[in-house]
Amino acid sequence: GESVGLHLPTLSVQEGDNSIINCAYSNSASDYFIWYKQESGKGPQFIIDIRSNMDKRQGQRVTVLLNKTVKHLSLQIAATQPGDSAVYFCAEGASGGGADGLTFGKGTHLIIQP
Amino acid sequence: NAGVTQTPKFRVLKTGQSMTLLCAQDMNHEYMYWYRQDPGMGLRLIHYSVGEGTTAKGEVPDGYNVSRLKKQNFLLGLESAAPSQTSVYFCASKSGGGSYEQYFGPGTRLTVT
Repeated sequence: GESVGLHLPTLSVQEGDNSIINCAYSNSASDYFIWYKQESGKGPQFIIDIRSNMDKRQGQRVTVLLNKTVKHLSLQIAATQPGDSAVYFCAEGASGGGADGLTFGKGTHLIIQP
Repeated sequence: NAGVTQTPKFRVLKTGQSMTLLCAQDMNHEYMYWYRQDPGMGLRLIHYSVGEGTTAKGEVPDGYNVSRLKKQNFLLGLESAAPSQTSVYFCASKSGGGSYEQYFGPGTRLTVT
C-alpha cells in the first residue's frame, strides 16, 4: 500500500556539520508533510511542516524541502548540536486537515559525533 | 497548560488481562488519536476521534477499543491483552480548522507477558 518511508535508519554527523535527513512518500494525494523529533523516552515533538503547494520552508536552523516530482522530502539541520540527537520522523496527511491521522515513516536515528 | 498527559507511564500485564490507558488534553482540541510504536517502526494509528462521542478505526484497530465520553479524555482499552500488544502507546491531539499539527503525550510503555 501507499506509505511514507525513510532512506536510512541511522545518520552519523560531526557536531557543527549540517545534517540532511531524507524521506520518500508515495501518496500523491497527500497535502501536508511534517517532521517530528523524538528523543529517547519521550513523545514526538513538532519540528517543521510544509504544505504540498510549497517546495521549501525554513525555521530556526531547520529547512524542509519538498520535491513533488519525485515524491521526496528532506529535513536539513544547520550546525548540528548534541541536542539534535534523536530519531526523526516524517509524516504525511491527506487533504482536509488530516482528521483521520498522519502516516509516519519508520524514522532516522541522528547520531552526533563530538 | 499540561498539554497531553497519559497514565500510566509503565504497565506490565499477563496474557488475557485487561486494562485501560487514559489520555487527557487541556487544549480544547477536537481531534484525538492513539498510536502504537514498535522497535524500528514509525507510529501506527490504532483509533481516533473527531469529537466527543465519536470514534473511528485506524490502521491497526484489532484487539483495542476506545471511548471519548468527554472532549478532553480519550481512553484506550485492551480487553484481553496479548504479547503482540507489547508496545509503546502514544496519544495525540489536534485542533480543528484545517490544522494538521498533532501534539503528543509522553507515552505508555506496555509489556504483556
